[in-house]
Amino acid sequence: GAVVSQHPSWVICKSGTSVKIECRSLDFQATTMFWYRQFPKQSLMLMATSNEGSKATYEQGVEKDKFLINHASLTLSTLTVTSAHPEDSSFYICSAISGPGETQYFGPGTRLLVL
Amino acid sequence: GESVGLHLPTLSVQEGDNSIINCAYSNSASDYFIWYKQESGKGPQFIIDIRSNMDKRQGQRVTVLLNKTVKHLSLQIAATQPGDSAVYFCAESPGGYQKVTFGTGTKLQVIP
Repeated sequence: GAVVSQHPSWVICKSGTSVKIECRSLDFQATTMFWYRQFPKQSLMLMATSNEGSKATYEQGVEKDKFLINHASLTLSTLTVTSAHPEDSSFYICSAISGPGETQYFGPGTRLLVL
Repeated sequence: GESVGLHLPTLSVQEGDNSIINCAYSNSASDYFIWYKQESGKGPQFIIDIRSNMDKRQGQRVTVLLNKTVKHLSLQIAATQPGDSAVYFCAESPGGYQKVTFGTGTKLQVIP
């Protein structure tokens, strides 16, 4: 199957700082990428849908100014958690598809801990 | 934020036995249903999917059953192995894999 990578795999930051997480499709061009958030022992919650070259579509309740998404190329999407606070600590997972009807492939996730 | 005290339903199975993981979905308009396996600290891994015009699909050691009448999905794993231990999520999509909604998940523990 297709490979999706994330960087970093884990990050610890101080409250008030911003953190950028990268999601890359390594062997295919991703027309659409998705960002999910997962708290311990809970399911994945979709945060936003990102299409290359256009603004991301955020799910209800997700602050677009808090979670900045940039899908600058067909192989890279970034999620920036701005002014992070302890409640933003979570496991962030991206996924990517190459086109409508294609399988959604997930990255390995990024664990964020805000102190 | 995080919900304190929330825990995943757990299914314990003896190695070599068959496992059946169940899932109820909510959107009758969903066209695609997918099962994912998530090991600790990793992203979800695709296992098998099924479209709404089917009621059964088989893969290698896995079978997915879909009952649209009662909006129920199940994953059967034959001859369960220790490597099958993980959290299993069912997911639904209106179509084209454009937006996938995940279920709550079931933790499978394989007893050697």
